[in-house]
Amino acid sequence: QKEVEQDPGPLSVPEGAIVSLNCTYSNSAFQYFMWYRQYSRKGPELLMYTYSSGNKEDGRFTAQVDKSSKYISLFIRDSQPSDSATYLCASGTGRRALTFGSGTRLQVQP
Amino acid sequence: AAGVIQSPRHLIKEKRETATLKCYPIPRHDTVYWYQQGPGQDPQFLISFYEKMQSDKGSIPDRFSAQQFSDYHSELNMSSLELGDSALYFCASYKGGSGQETQYFGPGTRLLVL
Repeated sequence: QKEVEQDPGPLSVPEGAIVSLNCTYSNSAFQYFMWYRQYSRKGPELLMYTYSSGNKEDGRFTAQVDKSSKYISLFIRDSQPSDSATYLCASGTGRRALTFGSGTRLQVQP
Repeated sequence: AAGVIQSPRHLIKEKRETATLKCYPIPRHDTVYWYQQGPGQDPQFLISFYEKMQSDKGSIPDRFSAQQFSDYHSELNMSSLELGDSALYFCASYKGGSGQETQYFGPGTRLLVL
């Protein structure tokens, strides 16, 4: 079993919809949690970073971490076709390598 | 803002050849990581360096080696290439104590082994 499990999708939504992406993790040592967006054949781009339980908002994106249930979420409001990409959740501890979820492919239909 | 630089961006090699990938971390970042991402896969950790010393090792084949130089750039050396080595190779860099303990990824090198 992977230490970070992610709903694989793919997910197809109409433009303007609210998107919910989710991951669970099993390693209690994980200290920080990220969401990366990856367009086809490109490097992962850091979207959101959180260090503790709670919500963090940046524009149309909200990251949520619940350490008690080991649950990570990313919400995208007013989704746009340009949001179509693969979204990777990742968790880490200190300088250790990141552990990634398997990625969710999102398609936002215009 | 400066980002992680990788070169080359694309590389085509024959089986059994060697390849060298280069990574230039964000200035003043002290840790470099190498990841391999196969088609439809999530990035898999290969190896990392902190202050020019190997700090952690993942699923890196024995045919691969890596090092970090005095200017903090890193090179991943791949020998006896196999078809299965075809993948995207990412470098990431990290700076501890910055208040944002996370890794920033470069654009990747796409390696195709024929």
